Amino acid sequence: GAVVSQHPSWVICKSGTSVKIECRSLDFQATTMFWYRQFPKQSLMLMATSNEGSKATYEQGVEKDKFLINHASLTLSTLTVTSAHPEDSSFYICSAPGRAGNEQFFGPGTRLTVL
Amino acid sequence: AQSVTQPDIHITVSEGASLELRCNYSYGATPYLFWYVQSPGQGLQLLLKYFSGDTLVQGIKGFEAEFKRSQSSFNLRKPSVHWSDAAEYFCAVGARTDKLIFGTGTRLQVFP
Repeated sequence: GAVVSQHPSWVICKSGTSVKIECRSLDFQATTMFWYRQFPKQSLMLMATSNEGSKATYEQGVEKDKFLINHASLTLSTLTVTSAHPEDSSFYICSAPGRAGNEQFFGPGTRLTVL
Repeated sequence: AQSVTQPDIHITVSEGASLELRCNYSYGATPYLFWYVQSPGQGLQLLLKYFSGDTLVQGIKGFEAEFKRSQSSFNLRKPSVHWSDAAEYFCAVGARTDKLIFGTGTRLQVFP
């Protein structure tokens, strides 16, 4: 089946530093990937759509200069949280459409804690 | 506007009891509907999905859901809940492989 991995699974960083989160489709190619953010006890909110070979599309209210997305290859998208602050602490989840094109496959998520 | 509403924030049931989690949606095009389950600190697991055809869909772990177009609903059901079903459940709508719009989730608590 289609598997999506994320790395790291959790990260703690100091305020003001940058953190990179990787999302990989392990056994299929994904020209598009999606990045979601989930605050404690809340639902998933789409942050941006990552497009291989072109710029990411950001949802309204998401700062593209703060959340840098790079879709480096057909199996890898990265989300970099720049100059992280405590309010950026959240659970970040990526997803990718599977080969059959009939569902999204989600990564296990990355828990970011900014001190 | 596209949206998903899960009216029940928190549901508590006894083990062995039946369960129904409600989901209503608003979507301009033909909706593709999903139910996901999330255990604490974990990612999402797909329980079932509806694209077309039979409006009653079967999923994993004994779950089923019924699509009712007239009510814009896609309620999740299970005839007998197990303690291991305690988790957060999310209903989502989208266009197949497009971005998904999630409901706010329903937290299920199961008492022995």
